[in-house]
Amino acid sequence: AQSVSQHNHHVILSEAASLELGCNYSYGGTVNLFWYVQYPGQHLQLLLKYFSGDPLVKGIKGFEAEFIKSKFSFNLRKPSVQWSDTAEYFCAAYTGGYQKVTFGTGTKLQVIP
Amino acid sequence: GAVVSQHPSRVICKSGTSVKIECRSLDFQATTMFWYRQFPKQSLMLMATSNEGSKATYEQGVEKDKFLINHASLTLSTLTVTSAHPEDSSFYICSARDPRTGGAETQYFGPGTRLLVL
Repeated sequence: AQSVSQHNHHVILSEAASLELGCNYSYGGTVNLFWYVQYPGQHLQLLLKYFSGDPLVKGIKGFEAEFIKSKFSFNLRKPSVQWSDTAEYFCAAYTGGYQKVTFGTGTKLQVIP
Repeated sequence: GAVVSQHPSRVICKSGTSVKIECRSLDFQATTMFWYRQFPKQSLMLMATSNEGSKATYEQGVEKDKFLINHASLTLSTLTVTSAHPEDSSFYICSARDPRTGGAETQYFGPGTRLLVL
């Protein structure tokens, strides 16, 4: 079965600190990977996605993620976080075999001014 | 970008009553919509895939008679929680696929509906 795991459930950082959120998936075939963000009181928004090509994907608001096939990972990074990045972040995977998107448990990021 | 709305945003009901949640695609026609359920501190769990004009496809373990899904038009899908019980209290989120911009992997999410059953 397809699964997605996020290792950090709650991360607290000071402004300007660097961020890396871990995401691992389990599926041996072709997979599409996503990071979604949910700001307080708002709905899920797509941050970035990887389908194919360059494994380093750049998204909105200075976020990027790197697909490492050998590690089944798709970690999210940002060199310098801002208070406005406080939100919950979800990693997700889609495979044609399962025809559905599977989400990780989410990571709550709190950025302290 | 594609916009998906849900109504109501929050509902409180008594045990045994039925609750209907609406999911609308506002600026596109969605042939496929998805219903998710999110428990506190847990991930979004796909409940069912709703296809316009046909029966919904339910995930394993989801009671189709409990969670009735109707996708009567290209812009509206409804989820009815029948004879709701306190254990049905949860956050229900819908999403829709915009066929103009991608396949099932590209979904646009509604804001969610918080259901509390007393």
